[in-house]
Amino acid sequence: GAVVSQHPSRVICKSGTSVKIECRSLDFQATTMFWYRQFPKQSLMLMATSNEGSKATYEQGVEKDKFLINHASLTLSTLTVTSAHPEDSSFYICSASGTSLYEQYFGPGTRLTVT
Amino acid sequence: AQKVTQAQTEISVVEKEDVTLDCVYETRDTTYYLFWYKQPPSGELVFLIRRNSFDEQNEISGRYSWNFQKSTSSFNFTITASQVVDSAVYFCALSEIGETSGSRLTFGEGTQLTVNP
Repeated sequence: GAVVSQHPSRVICKSGTSVKIECRSLDFQATTMFWYRQFPKQSLMLMATSNEGSKATYEQGVEKDKFLINHASLTLSTLTVTSAHPEDSSFYICSASGTSLYEQYFGPGTRLTVT
Repeated sequence: AQKVTQAQTEISVVEKEDVTLDCVYETRDTTYYLFWYKQPPSGELVFLIRRNSFDEQNEISGRYSWNFQKSTSSFNFTITASQVVDSAVYFCALSEIGETSGSRLTFGEGTQLTVNP
C-alpha cells in the first residue's frame, strides 16, 4: 500500500525560530500533496494544496509568507513555519495523491510545540 | 461550499454495545466521494472507507457497516459489538472532484468514541 512519512514526528522550538517539516511519499509519485493543521480536540483544517513544480495554493486565512510550502519533487514536500509563535503549536498532517485523484494517503503527523 | 456535520461530539458506550456515528453533508456537486477515518490517540489517520456518490449500496466490513442515504445527505457509520480498541476520534469527510484541486477533503468536526470495558 501507499506509504507517506513525515519528519520529524515531534519538534519543540523557541518562539521566533523557523521549523521545517518534511513529507515524503515512499512508494509512489505524489503529484499533489496537502497540508493540514489540527488543533487539540478539533478537526483537520486544510492549509494548502501543492502540485509538484508549482506554487502552492493556500486556503483563505492561511499566511503564505509564514507557512512556506515547497513541492520540489514527486516524492517530497516541505512545510516551513517561519518565525514560529506559541499559537502555531499544533499537529501538522500531510497527505499525498498520486495518479488517482481520489486516493489520498496521510502521513503520521508532526506535533509542533513552540515555547 | 462543502460542509460536513457530525452532530455527536462525544459518545460513550460499554463494550459489546452497538454504536452509530452520524454524518450529514452538504454539497452542490452531483459527483463526490465520502470517507470515514479513524484517529486513535497516536494521531495517525486510519482510512476506513470511501464511497462515491453513485453507489448507494450499504457496505459491511466485519463489525463495521455504513449506511449511505443520498436522499437525506447522510453517511452513517455503525460499529457492532464495540470493543475498547475502537476508542478513537472518527471523522467523516467529503471530497470535491475538481480538475485542478485534486481530492480536496472537507472534514467534519469528529466524534470522540469511548468504549468502556
